[in-house]
Amino acid sequence: GAVVSQHPSRVICKSGTSVKIECRSLDFQATTMFWYRQFPKKSLMLMATSNEGSKATYEQGVEKDKFLINHASLTLSTLTVTSAHPEDSSFYICSAVGSWETQYFGPGTRLLVL
Amino acid sequence: SQQGEEDPQALSIQEGENATMNCSYKTSINNLQWYRQNSGRGLVHLILIRSNEREKHSGRLRVTLDTSKKSSSLLITASRAADTASYFCAGETSGSRLTFGEGTQLTVNP
Repeated sequence: GAVVSQHPSRVICKSGTSVKIECRSLDFQATTMFWYRQFPKKSLMLMATSNEGSKATYEQGVEKDKFLINHASLTLSTLTVTSAHPEDSSFYICSAVGSWETQYFGPGTRLLVL
Repeated sequence: SQQGEEDPQALSIQEGENATMNCSYKTSINNLQWYRQNSGRGLVHLILIRSNEREKHSGRLRVTLDTSKKSSSLLITASRAADTASYFCAGETSGSRLTFGEGTQLTVNP
């Protein structure tokens, strides 16, 4: 089946620093990728839709200047959490849509901001 | 985005029993999908049911969809300890956007 990877799987950073998370579709091309965040024991909240070659579409309430998304190629989307603060600590998950209806999810990145 | 609701929030059963989880959603959807998530891991797609379908089977999974009531159910038959996980429904709307339910934590006791 289709595989989506995320890197890093886990990151700890100091407050005020920026963190970049990569999402890659390994064996298919994805014109659309999605970024979600998930708090402990909670559901996934869609943050933004990442479209290859164009600007991301952010969900209501998500700060686009804080969560920078770049989808530079058909296999890579990046999420940069700028000037991270402890409240940004969360589990970030990406998904990729190829030629099929099913979204394939990455394994997630756990971010801890101290 | 509006979140769907799932019940129960937590379900604990014995191995061999059936587990039923319900999901309700608020907007019109193209399809309804069910996912599984082990603690701290990514999501695994289980099954997709289209808006014009009423029931679908896949192995030990049975999914129903009632678009008039905007609800779906997931039945896992003959449960196993390895089925212990969180289960989420997600309604797909335009542009492949998914809106997830709150999830059901299933515990299958050996």
